[in-house]
Amino acid sequence: AQTVTQSQPEMSVQEAETVTLSCTYDTSESDYYLFWYKQPPSRQMILVIRQEAYKQQNATENRFSVNFQKAAKSFSLKISDSQLGDAAMYFCAYRSPEDKIIFGKGTRLHILP
Amino acid sequence: DSGVTQTPKHLITATGQRVTLRCSPRSGDLSVYWYQQSLDQGLQFLIQYYNGEERAKGNILERFSAQQFPDLHSELNLSSLELGDSALYFCASSVGTSGEASTDTQYFGPGTRLTVL
Repeated sequence: AQTVTQSQPEMSVQEAETVTLSCTYDTSESDYYLFWYKQPPSRQMILVIRQEAYKQQNATENRFSVNFQKAAKSFSLKISDSQLGDAAMYFCAYRSPEDKIIFGKGTRLHILP
Repeated sequence: DSGVTQTPKHLITATGQRVTLRCSPRSGDLSVYWYQQSLDQGLQFLIQYYNGEERAKGNILERFSAQQFPDLHSELNLSSLELGDSALYFCASSVGTSGEASTDTQYFGPGTRLTVL
């Protein structure tokens, strides 16, 4: 069965610094999709970034980038120049070819002014 | 604002009751997903519909059912409610494809908070 593990329940970073959130997953599939979602206090789920497993190039979206290591089944999120608005719960998610989606337990990110 | 709407925002009911949660996807989106987020279970995928047809099923209880209507809005029906069903229920939508698996991004609604007393 597929699983997604976020080993850091909580993290803190100084404003303007860089932080990396970890995510590992387990699957026997070769074609799948990975996502990072952000859930601020409003509880809305906001897509941050996505990665197709067949693409070797790491996805980037402005200050957000991923380090996708397919062989190691690792998918970490790097946030550069952290801002106060980045404070939120971050979820890593795996999407199988059959469209089943599995989320990690989340990492709560605090931004220190 | 993701473009996905969910009603009601809050729902308080008693054990044994039945409730219906409603979701309207973004304009043009054909796929609708339902999720349950509780404190102990985290975010759990329940079910997906594509253009009125069930496409994928996750950890959905038999007491729960869903459907997607011709106008593409979806409803999640929860019956014989138990205290443990108290949670935030999210709906998400995506463009979807008619192929084996959709590859596009899901956009989440604001959620319905269900409290079972």
